[in-house]
Amino acid sequence: DAGVIQSPRHEVTEMGQEVTLRCKPISGHNSLFWYRQTMMRGLELLIYFNNNVPIDDSGMPEDRFSAKMPNASFSTLKIQPSEPRDSAVYFCATLRGDRVTDTQYFGPGTRLTVL
Amino acid sequence: GENVEQHPSTLSVQEGDSAVIKCTYSDSASNYFPWYKQELGKRPQLIIDIRSNVGEKKDQRIAVTLNKTAKHFSLHITETQPEDSAVYFCAALRVGNEKLTFGTGTRLTIIP
Repeated sequence: DAGVIQSPRHEVTEMGQEVTLRCKPISGHNSLFWYRQTMMRGLELLIYFNNNVPIDDSGMPEDRFSAKMPNASFSTLKIQPSEPRDSAVYFCATLRGDRVTDTQYFGPGTRLTVL
Repeated sequence: GENVEQHPSTLSVQEGDSAVIKCTYSDSASNYFPWYKQELGKRPQLIIDIRSNVGEKKDQRIAVTLNKTAKHFSLHITETQPEDSAVYFCAALRVGNEKLTFGTGTRLTIIP
């Protein structure tokens, strides 16, 4: 099993551009979480899905952020338009069951830099 | 919502000595407390967790203790080794809320 796959691993873009981050969960995992990590704010949960349905998006910072999970094998996090303060590492994590008390497996992350 | 505080933010320990990292939480209904280790440039990885029905859990050189009354839990690493150098995050969750709240992290440096 390849683990959680994220792409791209690095993204550099200019302010105002649209950014799309992608995540492929481990096969058979039915919960997926998007996190943002910065030095100032640490690890923040943005949104999570269970069986492709968004359960809690209260961590999404503002309307510029949106996330989708069209099927069990794929999720996207989109920022439109991007701003320099969005620069961070974005992690996707998945787990097998629908209980967060199961082990969450993190992807390698996408390092986003917005100039 | 839940608030998790973690101390210290940085910790340097001589190789072979013990390291202790402490976290407090605010939601008395929280009942699951995982610890993650994140090496430089890598992803967080679960190293140990504890549920509220136990007070202590041990896995080789790593142990976690939980005091529900005081609402704090701690990570203990004994016989530290250079490969223990990393950032450690505690987290808390109330089952049903399904949302992990992370502490701000502790950068642990093991001095050879």
